[in-house]
Amino acid sequence: DAMVIQNPRYQVTQFGKPVTLSCSQTLNHNVMYWYQQKSSQAPKLLFHYYDKDFNNEADTPDNFQSRRPNTSFCFLDIRSPGLGDAAMYLCATSRQGRETEAFFGQGTRLTVV
Amino acid sequence: GDSVTQMEGPVTLSEEAFLTINCTYTATGYPSLFWYVQYPGEGLQLLLKATKADDKGSNKGFEATYRKETTSFHLEKGSVQVSDSAVYFCALGGGYQKVTFGTGTKLQVIP
Repeated sequence: DAMVIQNPRYQVTQFGKPVTLSCSQTLNHNVMYWYQQKSSQAPKLLFHYYDKDFNNEADTPDNFQSRRPNTSFCFLDIRSPGLGDAAMYLCATSRQGRETEAFFGQGTRLTVV
Repeated sequence: GDSVTQMEGPVTLSEEAFLTINCTYTATGYPSLFWYVQYPGEGLQLLLKATKADDKGSNKGFEATYRKETTSFHLEKGSVQVSDSAVYFCALGGGYQKVTFGTGTKLQVIP
């Protein structure tokens, strides 16, 4: 059964045109993360939520925003995508607690044209 | 800050060869340690984890031991298969702590 679901799997957007990526979970985890992963690189954390508390990484560009309307859903908004924003975007969830691992979705591959 | 260093890839092995991927970490406190695997075009999947010193995580023939004295968590497998070809990420953190990843090691297993 799918536990962390990202839609769409592939997204093509135009340079400068706002785009939203979505993530939903059936695990009822209170922590949700968004990572950006460029080719052959490690995932880079953009931000995370602990319940509704939003935590932005210091080097996350202002172009990236996020919303979490409820426990199950989380959205990544890119206000004005540039060519450099083309990447795989990974959503992950976890429970609170140092021993718990993160569960990842399959990712959304974003192409900017 | 926390960091993870893992051996550079790609690593190319013949089927049934022994695999070691080195991973060392720097962290405050006592983090949990993880190995994740990523197949082409997919998200990350947890391969194994260890939550305290001297714990050994194991799964699908892979093993890693949490060594506090050497701050290491090396991944090993006695006999790799073609289906093990993927990118392997060492990571630390967990729960409310953000997960910090190493740079990943690409493994290619040839028949």
